[in-house]
Amino acid sequence: DTGVSQDPRHKITKRGQNVTFRCDPISEHNRLYWYRQTLGQGPEFLTYFQNEAQLEKSRLLSDRFSAERPKGSFSTLEIQRTEQGDSAMYLCASSSGLAGADTQYFGPGTRLTVL
Amino acid sequence: RKEVEQDPGPFNVPEGATVAFNCTYSNSASQSFFWYRQDCRKEPKLLMSVYSSGNEDGRFTAQLNRASQYISLLIRDSKLSDSATYLCVVNGGRSYIPTFGRGTSLIVHP
Repeated sequence: DTGVSQDPRHKITKRGQNVTFRCDPISEHNRLYWYRQTLGQGPEFLTYFQNEAQLEKSRLLSDRFSAERPKGSFSTLEIQRTEQGDSAMYLCASSSGLAGADTQYFGPGTRLTVL
Repeated sequence: RKEVEQDPGPFNVPEGATVAFNCTYSNSASQSFFWYRQDCRKEPKLLMSVYSSGNEDGRFTAQLNRASQYISLLIRDSKLSDSATYLCVVNGGRSYIPTFGRGTSLIVHP
């Protein structure tokens, strides 16, 4: 499968614990995005990388959230000291970055439940 | 005003009906536009890009109206399998950050 993959698909954790999610984009894509989606809402932008550089970060992303893409390939999203309000689907998407053809392709998401 | 607005619906239509959704956006500098489809508890998948001249893909037609700042999606001859949430996405302005609408729910019934 050459699409975007995410791991784990589901994560249940207790409040206060740290969690880390991984995203592997389509191999030739240099842009990688993280989104959060809650029930009845569209995906909300969290952050975006061009290769290894984190270029944009949403105000939604509190200090408890950090994302990395160290070698410009896979990315990780870490949430420290999780809260119940962090429960959501975390979606990763990648795109080629080519002008006029910058379509995003999404991974299956990681569903986080904070108890 | 939200950057991208959609009527959440649901739009409840019989098989074979024609249904249309609109999506309005606030940033006049927006440059690219898309419709995505999202099935329940699944990831969004690209349905079609929206070009200035409008575009058609089978039963689906997308149009862009820059003057009034909206895009539309028309589905002809609805099928049961068209039941899903349709997300409008707007890119551009000063950054590459895509903004999603909250989605419009479509239910096609027999």
